[in-house]
Amino acid sequence: DAGITQSPRYKITETGRQVTLMCHQTWSHSYMFWYRQDLGHGLRLIYYSAAADITDKGEVPDGYVVSRSKTENFPLTLESATRSQTSVYFCASNQGGGYTFGSGTRLTVV
Amino acid sequence: GQQVMQIPQYQHVQEGEDFTTYCNSSTTLSNIQWYKQRPGGHPVFLIQLVKSGEVKKQKRLTFQFGEAKKNSSLHITATQTTDVGTYFCAGDSGGYQKVTFGIGTKLQVIP
Repeated sequence: DAGITQSPRYKITETGRQVTLMCHQTWSHSYMFWYRQDLGHGLRLIYYSAAADITDKGEVPDGYVVSRSKTENFPLTLESATRSQTSVYFCASNQGGGYTFGSGTRLTVV
Repeated sequence: GQQVMQIPQYQHVQEGEDFTTYCNSSTTLSNIQWYKQRPGGHPVFLIQLVKSGEVKKQKRLTFQFGEAKKNSSLHITATQTTDVGTYFCAGDSGGYQKVTFGIGTKLQVIP
């Protein structure tokens, strides 16, 4: 959907580098989420946010940091990228009912 | 924590055959959601079921929520090649932050 945008679509980075994945939504949804998708694991929740300045850990938060200073933005930072963080990352938002997902960022750590 | 199991993980069907995927939760759910992800795409919300025993239809797709609100199923009648993709269930045990996704069922339709 055009209302939630992720950037970049593709990223290759080196082990140890800091990487930030961006997520922007235009609906002012309260809830936002970061998931990673890996073969054999489905979608796993990394972090979520219930509102600006309110964030909490999901199932697999280690190695990631989030912030939410504005309702519409929810960036995800990999502080020191590792090969195990090679994955497809999806941002999503929700305001009742189902989630709306962004198009994803395919991250490769070499 | 909450676990959502989904089976089968893979299913190949001939075009025109029916297809069913099943979802089971370790805890009682307040609602269950279903998503479809096309190859190379992102998950797209299909439907949410809230009531015990609820059945909803969308054209050839039928969604059911169990009486105990711990299981659900998605049935596709007379599959078409456009049905190809991975179908995920996602269980909500009471708050937006507690949605847990099943591993997904990857459907291949052979023309």
